[in-house]
Amino acid sequence: GESVGLHLPTLSVQEGDNSIINCAYSNSASDYFIWYKQESGKGPQFIIDIRSNMDKRQGQRVTVLLNKTVKHLSLQIAATQPGDSAVYFCAEGQAGTALIFGKGTTLSVSS
Amino acid sequence: DAGITQSPRHKVTETGTPVTLRCHQTENHRYMYWYRQDPGHGLRLIHYSYGVKDTDKGEVSDGYSVSRSKTEDFLLTLESATSSQTSVYFCASQGLASSYNEQFFGPGTRLTVL
Repeated sequence: GESVGLHLPTLSVQEGDNSIINCAYSNSASDYFIWYKQESGKGPQFIIDIRSNMDKRQGQRVTVLLNKTVKHLSLQIAATQPGDSAVYFCAEGQAGTALIFGKGTTLSVSS
Repeated sequence: DAGITQSPRHKVTETGTPVTLRCHQTENHRYMYWYRQDPGHGLRLIHYSYGVKDTDKGEVSDGYSVSRSKTEDFLLTLESATSSQTSVYFCASQGLASSYNEQFFGPGTRLTVL
């Protein structure tokens, strides 16, 4: 599958490939991390979250990995489909505070 | 998505005019947020509310004010619009401070200031 290093604005993959989108977060005190998907013309939509006491969390076709040592978060999408084409944002936060969003990665899936 | 709406969805206005954007949610959520989204910046928080009549500033609050007189409505006002406020504006709501997985975003308002 395709992967990117620390944040690149775009990622292009073939249908069926696994995609890996990376995010570097800024605040070592953040204890909550989220990935959002934003389709064209729509607001962001929650995909999956992970708390700082976890290293990995799996959802349906998605996995989030958290490496607190290097303040790095990644989203893995298995068997990427054309419907996965969107902008993906990571966000970090602490309970009771507003989220801080990353700049986003545009995922393009070609069939 | 269905529980939060924004109006208008598109607006073109001139520099110096006042503009009010409305966010309406039917989830009875306590927390509401206004963000702006610009190329290369992701989402940036303008103001947020943690209850009726309780609001606070976010990262980019200059030139904006908000009001929340009812749980379901959160208004964002540009007192005198400037071209730098051309952006896409999103509101969001969530029920509890830590329930980010239940944070819903509206569809966005595209504002152009000429």
